[in-house]
Amino acid sequence: AAGVIQSPRHLIKEKRETATLKCYPIPRHDTVYWYQQGPGQDPQFLISFYEKMQSDKGSIPDRFSAQQFSDYHSELNMSSLELGDSALYFCASSSYSLAGGYNEQFFGPGTRLTVL
Amino acid sequence: AQKVTQAQTEISVVEKEDVTLDCVYETRDTTYYLFWYKQPPSGELVFLIRRNSFDEQNEISGRYSWNFQKSTSSFNFTITASQVVDSAVYFCALSEGVSGGYNKLIFGAGTRLAVHP
Repeated sequence: AAGVIQSPRHLIKEKRETATLKCYPIPRHDTVYWYQQGPGQDPQFLISFYEKMQSDKGSIPDRFSAQQFSDYHSELNMSSLELGDSALYFCASSSYSLAGGYNEQFFGPGTRLTVL
Repeated sequence: AQKVTQAQTEISVVEKEDVTLDCVYETRDTTYYLFWYKQPPSGELVFLIRRNSFDEQNEISGRYSWNFQKSTSSFNFTITASQVVDSAVYFCALSEGVSGGYNKLIFGAGTRLAVHP
């Protein structure tokens, strides 16, 4: 079965640089979520999109922005990178149906971002 | 406010022992969902189970079982006859509400399970 695809899997950047992370949800999933997991921490919700509209926002810095495109893939753009942005960034996708209700989120393998 | 507490930071057991991972949650919603995810050393998050607030039936899947008790706001996870491959960080998570399918997950701090041969 198809899973959530994230690219790149690893990324190394210098301070003050920009990074773009991509997420391709499971086919027919209409909701995408972004989470940030720092070393030894639990995943923290950043932002989500439902049918290409921002649906919820968490503790996402103003330096970060994200969007969901017409093909449902999503990109997380991170500017003016700081050392503290070094983390594992997960994308998850889910689907919703009137019959079944809310379905579980399936996570991608994550993008490990290292800021030097 | 919603909150998930996993009081056990680390658990160490010997293979074939049974182990229970505790999860206590707080929410004001009457409709919510609870989850368990496994994060092995390779880093991915693997979905294990989803339970909604209206279904208190316990569930068993092979060596895994889950005990959901609304009266104590707990959703505990038991691994029977643990194996080395069970070594991972296990996260309990909560999601509130029913609408839209766009509810964020609130994770507990995770419990690191080490199973030794």
